[in-house]
Amino acid sequence: KAGVTQTPRYLIKTRGQQVTLSCSPISGHRSVSWYQQTPGQGLQFLFEYFSETQRNKGNFPGRFSGRQFSNSRSEMNVSTLELGDSALYLCASSRDRGGSYNSPLHFGNGTRLTVT
Amino acid sequence: AQKVTQAQTEISVVEKEDVTLDCVYETRDTTYYLFWYKQPPSGELVFLIRRNSFDEQNEISGRYSWNFQKSTSSFNFTITASQVVDSAVYFCALSGRAGGTSYGKLTFGQGTILTVHP
Repeated sequence: KAGVTQTPRYLIKTRGQQVTLSCSPISGHRSVSWYQQTPGQGLQFLFEYFSETQRNKGNFPGRFSGRQFSNSRSEMNVSTLELGDSALYLCASSRDRGGSYNSPLHFGNGTRLTVT
Repeated sequence: AQKVTQAQTEISVVEKEDVTLDCVYETRDTTYYLFWYKQPPSGELVFLIRRNSFDEQNEISGRYSWNFQKSTSSFNFTITASQVVDSAVYFCALSGRAGGTSYGKLTFGQGTILTVHP
């Protein structure tokens, strides 16, 4: 069974630009979550999508948005990039709502975003 | 609010030593779940073990074992006979219904860097 696939693996953008990251969950998984990982703040929850609806949102500004498609694939968008947005963005999928005992999160390799 | 603390920033051991990674958590939930993840240099977070708040039975799975104690809010993870391939960053994580939100969000600790030397 293929794991969680994130594209692209690496991105370099300039301040003020916008970026879209893509995530394909494990086949049969209906929930997709996004996390930001930085050396200073560690792993922080961005949002969770289930059945094409955002179910949970972390404490990030409105520049961070996402969506989920009918095939459970998800995209994350960051507009008006700032230097502080440089991070590893991890996508995770789970069969049902993520984070429960019977539905642990399975993560992808991440997209490394560098903002210059 | 939920919080996970991994007091050990870095641990260095020699191959075949046993190593225990500490995790202390805070939550107001009565039902919650605890996880350990491993992050090798490739970046992917690999799910290792899980425990729910109703089950304090400690388990062993291969070289991994975990000790869950509700009384001290701790969920420690032990690797027996460590190997060089165990070198990675290890994260403890917690999920629950604090603040009215349902499961779907993991709160992670800051991570422990484990280096196993040959």
